[in-house]
Amino acid sequence: DARVTQTPRHKVTEMGQEVTMRCQPILGHNTVFWYRQTMMQGLELLAYFRNRAPLDDSGMPKDRFSAEMPDATLATLKIQPSEPRDSAVYFCASGLVRTANQETQYFGPGTRLLVL
Amino acid sequence: QQQVKQSPQSLIVQKGGISIINCAYENTAFDYFPWYQQFPGKGPALLIAIRPDVSEKKEGRFTISFNKSAKQFSLHIMDSQPGDSATYFCAVNAGGTSYGKLTFGQGTILTVHP
Repeated sequence: DARVTQTPRHKVTEMGQEVTMRCQPILGHNTVFWYRQTMMQGLELLAYFRNRAPLDDSGMPKDRFSAEMPDATLATLKIQPSEPRDSAVYFCASGLVRTANQETQYFGPGTRLLVL
Repeated sequence: QQQVKQSPQSLIVQKGGISIINCAYENTAFDYFPWYQQFPGKGPALLIAIRPDVSEKKEGRFTISFNKSAKQFSLHIMDSQPGDSATYFCAVNAGGTSYGKLTFGQGTILTVHP
């Protein structure tokens, strides 16, 4: 049963610390998305990649957030320095998207981040 | 600019009742309208989706109704069960060169009482 995996599942850190979240997309999927979920803002798209190339990171605060795909099996989202307002659940999702009409996204279990 | 507006924010129904969640959009270029279901502590998962060439799609107790002229689509859950208690998100695709990208509604928390 292919699944998106995310680590860590929970992270508590202090303001100013660096946070790195990792995602392993489903094998063979070529598109990876990073979302942030909060009660106030709902599900926000932060960034996404296709074939490891960044397509859109306009939803991400550029000064402190960065997203990368070092290889096809790993996507990372880094926050440096972290702030209390970054507290949220961060989801990674992947999909096999070659053309239009292929939009199903498979979500991981999320990383619950608390910045004190 | 909010691309898709979802209502209600929360919904309580009795077991066996019908749950109805609505979404409205503005951009007529959207051509894919999915609903995702999220249980507490889990990631969202695709529940059902529709394309604008049909007005209704049914999968078991879940039905999407699509009104192209009104730019609205809704999720109907028939014979609602306590196990359906979850958060439901509608979404729209971006289309064009951004195919694969989805914009989600704010979500509806559904509670089904036994």
